[in-house]
Amino acid sequence: QMQLQESGPGLVKPSETLSLTCSVSGGSITSSSDYWGWIRQPPGKGLEWIATIYYSGNTYYNLSLKSRVTISVDTSKNQFSLKVTSVTAADTAVYYCARLTHYYYIEVWGRGTTVTVSS
Amino acid sequence: DIVMTQSPDSLAVSLGERATINCKSSQSLLYKSDNKNYLAWYQQKLGQPPQLLIYWASIRESGVPDRFSGSGSGTDFTLTISSLQPEDVAVYYCQQYYSNLAFGGGTRVEIK
Repeated sequence: QMQLQESGPGLVKPSETLSLTCSVSGGSITSSSDYWGWIRQPPGKGLEWIATIYYSGNTYYNLSLKSRVTISVDTSKNQFSLKVTSVTAADTAVYYCARLTHYYYIEVWGRGTTVTVSS
Repeated sequence: DIVMTQSPDSLAVSLGERATINCKSSQSLLYKSDNKNYLAWYQQKLGQPPQLLIYWASIRESGVPDRFSGSGSGTDFTLTISSLQPEDVAVYYCQQYYSNLAFGGGTRVEIK
């Protein structure tokens, strides 16, 4: 059964860059039927889609975050990653990585990693 | 961008009673070429990631109890829990995948 695991610093200073990695096990990130994405959830709030990537490198971004966000894939490591630049307290959230179907609904979620932006 | 609006924000239902959650999209999610509604529902229990309940507006994911059902088309959708169980206490989200992704704000379901 496929599993996704997020990793990265739990604390990031304001104005710095948040970097997270999602490791995929139990399946290949190069599956032709799957997309990979990041979703976040601020404390006590709802879900916000951040970005999606296909193993070939095609990327799709939430327009509200696009200027600060980069999603990338490393097929040799079966991983994909997220970078968010110039972070503020508003970027404090649980960050989930996920496997999306070809149609973009989400079949598998990671357990999530909490990122706090604070000095 | 497509905006998803859920109602109510929260509801309390007695055990064994019906719970109904509404989701409205700012534009139609019905793709005419395949006659499918590009809408999914997720359940998120406290401290856990969301889990897929329903896709294509009405198709239950494998393993989801049949007391959960989805209906609707175009811009108006409903998730119904026919007989609320204690394990159904959660926040429920709708999500459109007609154009990238967007989630509704969530509906919290509690026991009355």
